[in-house]
Amino acid sequence: QKEVEQNSGPLSVPEGAIASLNCTYSDRGSQSFFWYRQYSGKSPELIMFIYSNGDKEDGRFTAQLNKASQYVSLLIRDSQPSDSATYLCAAPYGNNRLAFGKGNQVVVIP
Amino acid sequence: GAGVSQTPSNKVTEKGKYVELRCDPISGHTALYWYRQSLGQGPEFLIYFQGTGAADDSGLPNDRFFAVRPEGSVSTLKIQRTERGDSAVYLCASSLSVANEQFFGPGTRLTVL
Repeated sequence: QKEVEQNSGPLSVPEGAIASLNCTYSDRGSQSFFWYRQYSGKSPELIMFIYSNGDKEDGRFTAQLNKASQYVSLLIRDSQPSDSATYLCAAPYGNNRLAFGKGNQVVVIP
Repeated sequence: GAGVSQTPSNKVTEKGKYVELRCDPISGHTALYWYRQSLGQGPEFLIYFQGTGAADDSGLPNDRFFAVRPEGSVSTLKIQRTERGDSAVYLCASSLSVANEQFFGPGTRLTVL
């Protein structure tokens, strides 16, 4: 089992809808989780981090963490074409190195 | 303020050659990380520095890869006898200290012909 898994294929959502992305992790000791956005040809950009069980909201983004079930999710409300990108879930392992999922591509259709 | 910078942005080399990739972290960030990203995959950890020392180099694929950070700021990733399989985007990230968020540079796209 990989440390962090994102198994969903590309996600197409109409403009204004909610995009929902999920990520599971294997290490029960993980304490923090990060969501990065990566536009094509660009480097990852940190958009959200979450340390505690429950929800964390920042603008149109909401991160949800469920440590008992070992999953973390990202909701994008009122999706915009500019949200079209690959979203990477990451968790720190060992000496704070990040283990990444392979990413989920989101396409927002105008 | 200035973010993480990496040079060159693109590097094309021939199989068997030696390359150096440079990373300049955000000023004041003591932790520096190198990752490698292949097409369609998430970044893969290579090595992590805390200050001048390599705290974790477990991600380096083999002994052709080496990295230094002699003064605790700029880091250089060195690849000897490059192979076509080394082609990827090499990303550098820095953080204020351990357990803080990591910020990525623009990456160096390495192509080995």
